[in-house]
Amino acid sequence: GAGVSQSPRYKVAKRGQDVALRCDPISGHVSLFWYQQALGQGPEFLTYFQNEAQLDKSGLPSDRFFAERPEGSVSTLKIQRTQQEDSAVYLCASSLSLGKIWYNEQFFGPGTRLTVL
Amino acid sequence: TQLLEQSPQFLSIQEGENLTVYCNSSSVFSSLQWYRQEPGEGPVLLVTVVTGGEVKKLKRLTFQFGDARKDSSLHITAAQTGDTGLYLCAGAHQAGTALIFGKGTTLSVSS
Repeated sequence: GAGVSQSPRYKVAKRGQDVALRCDPISGHVSLFWYQQALGQGPEFLTYFQNEAQLDKSGLPSDRFFAERPEGSVSTLKIQRTQQEDSAVYLCASSLSLGKIWYNEQFFGPGTRLTVL
Repeated sequence: TQLLEQSPQFLSIQEGENLTVYCNSSSVFSSLQWYRQEPGEGPVLLVTVVTGGEVKKLKRLTFQFGDARKDSSLHITAAQTGDTGLYLCAGAHQAGTALIFGKGTTLSVSS
């Protein structure tokens, strides 16, 4: 079946502009995660949904970052008033996550590369 | 913040050589995954280890989870140019929670 898809793949924004990044998880996957990856670094956790509930948003760097998953499938990460330090690759991952340890496995999308000028 | 330390950060070797990448932490993880990431793509899962002392083999790749579930290693035998990429270890403290990633090891294998 289809994997995790993200759109757009590339986004260039002017400083101060709002952006919205979309994630389509694997069908049937309960959990959805957003990560931020700086160049040459490992991904860093932003936020996590189980179905439509946002269970953890402790990684969001500021109140300019907002994520939603209203119907428990597609998710959108929104960044308001973008700053240059927001430039990074934003990765989405999904997981079956039924509370059993084997379902910790997360499957990643290709990411959206955001460049803020 | 619970950190996963990966070493080495960069590794450049010739085809046919062996190598080991290490992933260490001061905290215990319920599971640990190894991912490989190529430029412009998301990380791709290689293996999950969940039991202390567990060893898993995937062709020329051998993964080991430490007895105390605080560390892991990835060993590649007879590296090939196709092994080039960013190798990431990632741990979870509880099932279904966010992964904590190491900073990665950039491997370059030349012919």
